[in-house]
Amino acid sequence: NAGVMQNPRHLVRRRGQEARLRCSPMKGHSHVYWYRQLPEEGLKFMVYLQKENIIDESGMPKERFSAEFPKEGPSILRIQQVVRGDSAAYFCASSPPLGLAEDEQFFGPGTRLTVL
Amino acid sequence: DAKTTQPPSMDCAEGRAANLPCNHSTISGNEYVYWYRQIHSQGPQYIIHGLKNNETNEMASLIITEDRKSSTLILPHATLRDTAVYYCIVRSPLSGTYKYIFGTGTRLKVLA
Repeated sequence: NAGVMQNPRHLVRRRGQEARLRCSPMKGHSHVYWYRQLPEEGLKFMVYLQKENIIDESGMPKERFSAEFPKEGPSILRIQQVVRGDSAAYFCASSPPLGLAEDEQFFGPGTRLTVL
Repeated sequence: DAKTTQPPSMDCAEGRAANLPCNHSTISGNEYVYWYRQIHSQGPQYIIHGLKNNETNEMASLIITEDRKSSTLILPHATLRDTAVYYCIVRSPLSGTYKYIFGTGTRLKVLA
């Protein structure tokens, strides 16, 4: 039973380029969360998605960032026109359909984005 | 903003119990307490969670005070591999989003 998968694990972009981060949730999970972690800090919530729906994007920057979780395929976090401040580790987590309010989230290994 | 307060760092001797405290004085009656840890820069790993009662699993024990304003994660026999940042998280099941709000955690160092 594969866990949450993220790719690429490391991504290098130059300022102004686009970054696309992919997340495949655990089998049977239909809820995906994206978090960002700056060096020496805790994880910060960005967005929560269900299949084809954005449920909560209160942590997403207003510009340049977008996320989707299509009916088929992985969830995508897209960062347009990257800047150096976007350099961080981006973690994806998934959870089962919300049958239980206490379902925990399972995290992937993260994508480390470096903007030159 | 994080609803929890944790000491920034702790040391523990290998083989001894590690007791990690967490203050969550504003917790509501339906909010769960979760513990995760992050080893090096890996993805956070679930440890345990609870609502009111103390909980135990193969990894750890969670002791929640009767007033629920604080809790303690206990690693009964710490090993070097338990060196990590430990996060205490309070999550409301009624928020509609189930998102985690991480604080800065406790950096536990297990000493040989």
